[in-house]
Amino acid sequence: DAGVIQSPRHEVTEMGQEVTLRCKPISGHDYLFWYRQTMMRGLELLIYFNNNVPIDDSGMPEDRFSAKMPNASFSTLKIQPSEPRDSAVYFCASSTGTSNIQYFGAGTRLSVL
Amino acid sequence: KQEVTQIPAALSVPEGENLVLNCSFTDSAIYNLQWFRQDPGKGLTSLLLIQSSQREQTSGRLNASLDKSSGRSTLYIAASQPGDSATYLCAVRTNAGNMLTFGGGTRLMVKP
Repeated sequence: DAGVIQSPRHEVTEMGQEVTLRCKPISGHDYLFWYRQTMMRGLELLIYFNNNVPIDDSGMPEDRFSAKMPNASFSTLKIQPSEPRDSAVYFCASSTGTSNIQYFGAGTRLSVL
Repeated sequence: KQEVTQIPAALSVPEGENLVLNCSFTDSAIYNLQWFRQDPGKGLTSLLLIQSSQREQTSGRLNASLDKSSGRSTLYIAASQPGDSATYLCAVRTNAGNMLTFGGGTRLMVKP
């Protein structure tokens, strides 16, 4: 398996633009997590899904952030409109309910100018 | 709310030294604890997972211990190598759900 795949690896955009980050979890994993990592706040969980259903989105910072998982092999995290303070590395991770080990993608480095 | 703290924030040691990284958490009602490694510009790689009923886990030169009652875990690295240079993060899963709370990490540099 290729592991968790995220795209794009880097995204540079201007304030006010819509940003969409994509994630393909490991096949067979029924949990998917979106994290944000910054120097100031470290690694924070934004939202996670189980069997494509959002379970906890209490970490989503504002209504500008939304996440979807239309099927077991794809998820998106959307920021609309983006702001400079959204600049961070966004990670997607997946796991099975039995192993509890989360496998991380390489991340998307977002810069909002 | 669970809080996870890692000390020290950064550590530099000469090659060959044995070292200990510390992790503490405020809520002892945990389900498991994981140690991750993060290389610059990369994602996280799980190193060891300790279930709440376990006291330690070993993988090669790595040994992780868990003292749930005192809210502490340590990651012991034996005979450190330059290739061990990375940031090490601990993460706690609480009983309340499948969410992980991460510490701030320890940035390790092993000098040849």
